[in-house]
Amino acid sequence: KQEVTQIPAALSVPEGENLVLNCSFTDSAIYNLQWFRQDPGKGLTSLLLIQSSQREQTSGRLNASLDKSSGRSTLYIAASQPGDSATYLCAVSAGYSTLTFGKGTMLLVSP
Amino acid sequence: GAGVSQTPSNKVTEKGKYVELRCDPISGHTALYWYRQSLGQGPEFLIYFQGTGAADDSGLPNDRFFAVRPEGSVSTLKIQRTERGDSAVYLCASSLGIGGYTFGSGTRLTVV
Repeated sequence: KQEVTQIPAALSVPEGENLVLNCSFTDSAIYNLQWFRQDPGKGLTSLLLIQSSQREQTSGRLNASLDKSSGRSTLYIAASQPGDSATYLCAVSAGYSTLTFGKGTMLLVSP
Repeated sequence: GAGVSQTPSNKVTEKGKYVELRCDPISGHTALYWYRQSLGQGPEFLIYFQGTGAADDSGLPNDRFFAVRPEGSVSTLKIQRTERGDSAVYLCASSLGIGGYTFGSGTRLTVV
């Protein structure tokens, strides 16, 4: 059974810092990996999708990498802003069926 | 519609009652998913529809849970004889293919 772990569980940083969120998964037979953002009381917003054949994806200040063989992904956020405060969820997919999520990293960026 | 719509946004029900949660996906999205998120946890898969049929219902916790999508668009998640442990946020997502999921804002179910 696929298990996804996210470290740290919570992170508090001052505005402007660069930061890294970590995600690991136990079964490397994945189709893709996604990073989502969840604001309190809201649904999930997809940030980045990395196919299993890719090594990284970038969108603005966000960069996600994937090392499928070692079962790891990182989400790098450059020049963090208070508006980045949210819970960040990592999820892996083995195909059309299901996403397996981690528990998330709760990020607080202070002005 | 422009996004995935879930109704109601909040539902409080008494233990033992029956509830229905509705999901209206993005028009044209053939795949529809239900997930359940408990406090402090990531979403957990419940059921996946491709068109009108349930392609994978392996995440449904027991036979009190049932979901339908009769016309391949709107889906309803039905929970019978609710228990306090069913309290969670129920999330719906739709997609055209693998990846590209759009999630709704969820229904927060509280069983008292």
